Amino acid sequence: QKEVEQNSGPLSVPEGAIASLNCTYSDRGSQSFFWYRQYSGKSPELIMFIYSNGDKEDGRFTAQLNKASQYVSLLIRDSQPSDSATYLCAVTPGGGNKLTFGTGTQLKVEL
Amino acid sequence: DVKVTQSSRYLVKRTGEKVFLECVQDMDHENMFWYRQDPGLGLRLIYFSYDVKMKEKGDIPEGYSVSREKKERFSLILESASTNQTSMYLCASRLGRNNAEAFFGQGTRLTVV
Repeated sequence: QKEVEQNSGPLSVPEGAIASLNCTYSDRGSQSFFWYRQYSGKSPELIMFIYSNGDKEDGRFTAQLNKASQYVSLLIRDSQPSDSATYLCAVTPGGGNKLTFGTGTQLKVEL
Repeated sequence: DVKVTQSSRYLVKRTGEKVFLECVQDMDHENMFWYRQDPGLGLRLIYFSYDVKMKEKGDIPEGYSVSREKKERFSLILESASTNQTSMYLCASRLGRNNAEAFFGQGTRLTVV
């Protein structure tokens, strides 16, 4: 079983819609959860992190964490063509120094 | 500004060569990482280091070794390069606390011929 799993996509949404990206993880001891965005040919950049159950909002982005279900998601409201990228979920298994990424979900926002 | 610098953007090496990829960070971060990224496989962790001279294997360490003699520098070594090590290599660093953001270098596209 992979430590972090994501649907590779592509996920296509129309401009202005809500994009929902999902991630599951296997280690119940994981403590910190991150969402990174990676444009084609570029390095990943942090969008936001979450470590408590519930929702965390930052502008158009909302991260949701459910530790009981070992599930973390990212919602992007009012999706824009500039949001088209690969979104990577990352966790710290066991709360240690290791940082493990999923395979990423490709998002396409269509005009 | 935060900075993680990888020594080369593009590299072409021959099968069997010993290859060194260098990464330097200027943020005094405890943790440094080497990942490789291949289409459909995401970022896979090769090795990471949590302190000078300390290292831990990641998920795919076979064929690689690392060195961290100084806090700011983390080197990835391909002892005998093979064609299946052709990939994009990304270095990252972060502080040694739970919610710390990881910062990435620009990546090294390595081609082994």
